[in-house]
This record gives sequence, C-alpha cells and structure tokens, in this order.
Amino acid sequence: EDKVVQSPLSLVVHEGDTVTLNCSYEVTNFRSLLWYKQEKKAPTFLFMLTSSGIEKKSGRLSSILDKKELSSILNITATQTGDSAIYLCAVRLDTDKLIFGTGTRLQVFP
Amino acid sequence: DAGITQSPRYKITETGRQVTLMCHQTWSHSYMFWYRQDLGHGLRLIYYSAAADITDKGEVPDGYVVSRSKTENFPLTLESATRSQTSVYFCASSESGGYYGYTFGSGTRLTVV
Repeated sequence: EDKVVQSPLSLVVHEGDTVTLNCSYEVTNFRSLLWYKQEKKAPTFLFMLTSSGIEKKSGRLSSILDKKELSSILNITATQTGDSAIYLCAVRLDTDKLIFGTGTRLQVFP
Repeated sequence: DAGITQSPRYKITETGRQVTLMCHQTWSHSYMFWYRQDLGHGLRLIYYSAAADITDKGEVPDGYVVSRSKTENFPLTLESATRSQTSVYFCASSESGGYYGYTFGSGTRLTVV
C-alpha cells in the first residue's frame, strides 16, 4: 500500500526560529514529491521535487529530496506568524495519482 | 471566472439522501481529482479522472460515484449519504504531467445529519 508519512505532526515555535519538516514515503512508481501549504482553505502549491539532491528555494522556504532515503525535508528559516499553517507533503505516482501525508501543523508565535 | 470552482461551499444533508458536489475548471486540464480531508487522516483520494470518460478509484471510493462527460466538469455524488461522509471535500486539477503542481478548489464542507 502506498504511504506518505510526515513528522512531526505538530510544531510550535517562536518568530525567528528555523524549522525542518520531514516527509518519508513508501510507494510504487514514484514520479515526484510535492509540498503544499494549507491555511484556512485549499492547499497552495509550494514545490515539486523530482531529482535527488537538488534544492528548491523560494524566499525563506527550501526543500530537498533524497530518493535513496525515500524522504524529503522542508526548511523554513526566520519563521514569521504568517507561516502558521498545515504543511502537506504528497507523492505523485506514475498513474498521476497524488498521495498525501497527514500534514504537519506549524504554529508560529510572536 | 478562470480557475477551479466548487459548489456548494457548504451543505447539510440528511442520512440516506443523495447529494452531488460540483467541480468546474476553466484550464482544460486533463486530470481532475476528488479528495476528502478529515482530522487525523489528511487528504485522501476518492476518485480521479485522466480525461473525459476516464475515471478511476482512489483510496476511499466506497459510497461515491463520479462521472466526467466533459473535460471541465467532474461531479461527485454520494448515493446515500452517511454520517461518516461528513468531511471537507476538495476538487483538484492538473495538466498532464503535473509539472506546475495540482491546483485545488476552495472546498465543500459537507455535514450529514
């Protein structure tokens, strides 16, 4: 059974802290790994990773994929209260199905 | 309006009733998906469609029916609603290859009483 696991489930930090969110997967026919941010409504797309070792970066957020370890991390540096959200990791299969983990809830306090 | 729209935004229905959730996208994306989101389970795939008239089951298809007669529409029907189907439902679409990620609608919050 295809599975995506995220850790930690929940994280509480203060503004300015750096956080690392983890995602591991066990799937057949891996094609790519995606990260999403979900605030009150629909998930919004952050990154798509297909190749190991190549970091994707957008402002204070960055992510990298390790296909040997079947995992990915999402880093957020100098966190702000606006980073408070659920961060979702998903794996896209060759069939174009997208399988999600349960998410990490990040709360950033001033 | 361009994008992906879901309707209704909120729905309350009674156990045993049939209810249909609508999803419409304006990009002519080939792929469309239905997910449900519940506490502790994250987003779980119900059904997906690779093109008009092609649909396939996801992780939790029981109790749901889909159709896709036109590329832009992908309705989800609960044939006989149960309380366990109370959830937030998200529709998503992507172009073939998904190179720009999958775009989600704003969701439908369904309560079955």
